[in-house]
Amino acid sequence: GQNIDQPTEMTATEGAIVQINCTYQTSGFNGLFWYQQHAGEAPTFLSYNVLDGLEEKGRFSSFLSRSKGYSYLLLKELQMKDSASYLCAVREGYRLSFGAGTTVTVRA
Amino acid sequence: EPEVTQTPSHQVTQMGQEVILRCVPISNHLYFYWYRQILGQKVEFLVSFYNNEISEKSEIFDDQFSVERPDGSNFTLKIRSTKLEDSAMYFCASSEGRQADTQYFGPGTRLTVL
Repeated sequence: GQNIDQPTEMTATEGAIVQINCTYQTSGFNGLFWYQQHAGEAPTFLSYNVLDGLEEKGRFSSFLSRSKGYSYLLLKELQMKDSASYLCAVREGYRLSFGAGTTVTVRA
Repeated sequence: EPEVTQTPSHQVTQMGQEVILRCVPISNHLYFYWYRQILGQKVEFLVSFYNNEISEKSEIFDDQFSVERPDGSNFTLKIRSTKLEDSAMYFCASSEGRQADTQYFGPGTRLTVL
């Protein structure tokens, strides 16, 4: 089975930085993905890690430690449009197993 | 930029009726998936499909569900006899290959079973 944990909610100020942590225990591992999901919409791909270390894509970075079963997504220079749910997902075989998501609220 | 498309955007049906949800994956992608998300809950894997056969399915994907690629572009999910608990958002996704390839999601079909 899978156990993927992330905080339920986070609040931050426009222009600030927020770090969303994800811990996982899964029977297989073919990569860890981060998706953004606005209410009522589809998950949109942000970043992925298959090896340990930091991946940077513009304002978003993601880090992975496979030995610790740990990842984080870093959102820099927060904008109001970044208010959304952020989903951590582990790929096992063909499937993505998702966490429950972290709702980030950006305040002016 | 190529996108996964899904029709209809919203489907309302009576309990016990059959529904078919349709998806057009990104054209050069080889792997196709269905996920569902019950309101307020996490996204759940249903099934993956490659080379005209199911490659993996979850415990949710029971005999009431089936998938098909009827032609070169469409990928469908059929629910034979819908139940109230099938009400959810159904997302189709596709990926170019398998190992660690990114899955791109369609906009979803909201299924409401009355």
